[in-house]
Amino acid sequence: DVKVTQSSRYLVKRTGEKVFLECVQDMDHENMFWYRQDPGLGLRLIYFSYDVKMKEKGDIPEGYSVSREKKERFSLILESASTNQTSMYLCASSFFRGMMTQYFGPGTRLLVL
Amino acid sequence: SQQGEEDPQALSIQEGENATMNCSYKTSINNLQWYRQNSGRGLVHLILIRSNEREKHSGRLRVTLDTSKKSSSLLITASRAADTASYFCATIYNDYKLSFGAGTTVTVRA
Repeated sequence: DVKVTQSSRYLVKRTGEKVFLECVQDMDHENMFWYRQDPGLGLRLIYFSYDVKMKEKGDIPEGYSVSREKKERFSLILESASTNQTSMYLCASSFFRGMMTQYFGPGTRLLVL
Repeated sequence: SQQGEEDPQALSIQEGENATMNCSYKTSINNLQWYRQNSGRGLVHLILIRSNEREKHSGRLRVTLDTSKKSSSLLITASRAADTASYFCATIYNDYKLSFGAGTTVTVRA
């Protein structure tokens, strides 16, 4: 079974703090994704990576950056957290570019005060 | 780039009843997927239907696709309490990015 894990289930941070969210997958997947989920808005893609050190912006990349130094790990970074980044963050992976099914982690619920 | 929209937003049914939810999308697709999300958790892939398929079954799930109407439906038969969750349809854009709708929240009452 594919396993995607996220470093924290719940996180509380202060405005202006630098926040790291980590995601690890154990199935040698090429593609990894970061989404945020807000009520009524569904999932919105922040960034994705199709290979080590490769990344592309999704639909809402502002205020975020990512890092993928190893194939299994994809980090989302909030350079200076703001209250409007309070959200549920979901990481996902898929095997290769043409594979359409994504496997999701359990999510990190981030509260920025 | 959100192109899938689920309907209704919320659904409450009695255990044992069937639950039907619909998804409409805007542009041509190669396939459409359905995912389930239990409260506060990640999404789990349920089923994928390709554009040349009209109906697909998986256990108690039945998915239909009507490309002429740009719509899909998900039917859960003989619902159980464990089916209480949010259900999302997703379509591919730009090769391998998924666009999700806002979801249908299903509550199954005992």
